[in-house]
Amino acid sequence: NAGVTQTPKFRILKIGQSMTLQCTQDMNHNYMYWYRQDPGMGLKLIYYSVGAGITDKGEVPNGYNVSRSTTEDFPLRLELAAPSQTSVYFCASSSTSGRTGNEQFFGPGTRLTVL
Amino acid sequence: AQRVTQPEKLLSVFKGAPVELKCNYSYSGSPELFWYVQYSRQRLQLLLRHISRESIKGFTADLNKGETSFHLKKPFAQEEDSAMYYCALGGGSQGNLIFGKGTKLSVKP
Repeated sequence: NAGVTQTPKFRILKIGQSMTLQCTQDMNHNYMYWYRQDPGMGLKLIYYSVGAGITDKGEVPNGYNVSRSTTEDFPLRLELAAPSQTSVYFCASSSTSGRTGNEQFFGPGTRLTVL
Repeated sequence: AQRVTQPEKLLSVFKGAPVELKCNYSYSGSPELFWYVQYSRQRLQLLLRHISRESIKGFTADLNKGETSFHLKKPFAQEEDSAMYYCALGGGSQGNLIFGKGTKLSVKP
């Protein structure tokens, strides 16, 4: 099993450009999450999904969009990139909610710089 | 408010010394707590969770509800323990984890 994969690993964007961060998991997990991690800070939830066709906003959703057309894929779309979106982005998945004590599996992260 | 606090950004110890990484939380219900670790050039991975009451790589963590703490301990640190350690609370309203800011552990030879 590859687990959770993310592409690209690194990206530099200009202000106003758009891009999609890809995330795929092969563990048949229902729950998927996008977090961002700013320097010296913990991970913050951007969007999450509890199953195909169901998505909802997290703590910091502004400037992002997601879709969940399949169980495996959970892409994160950045529209009109801004310097404030410079961060490391992590995708994660789990079989159930974090409240049940279940492990979340993380991708390797995408380091995004907006100039 | 749900919150996880890791007061130390950096903890530096010598090999063989005891290690304690502090974690305090704020949560109104019954907490689910985790320690995640990120070794250099590797992804974030689960180290241990409080419900399992297990010892992983010599690390243990005990939930103290009275002090709202979940400190991570190891009696004898090894150089390979050097990594970023994140305490996380499974208390997010969306089923997400709430992370502390992390503590960088550096074990010197």
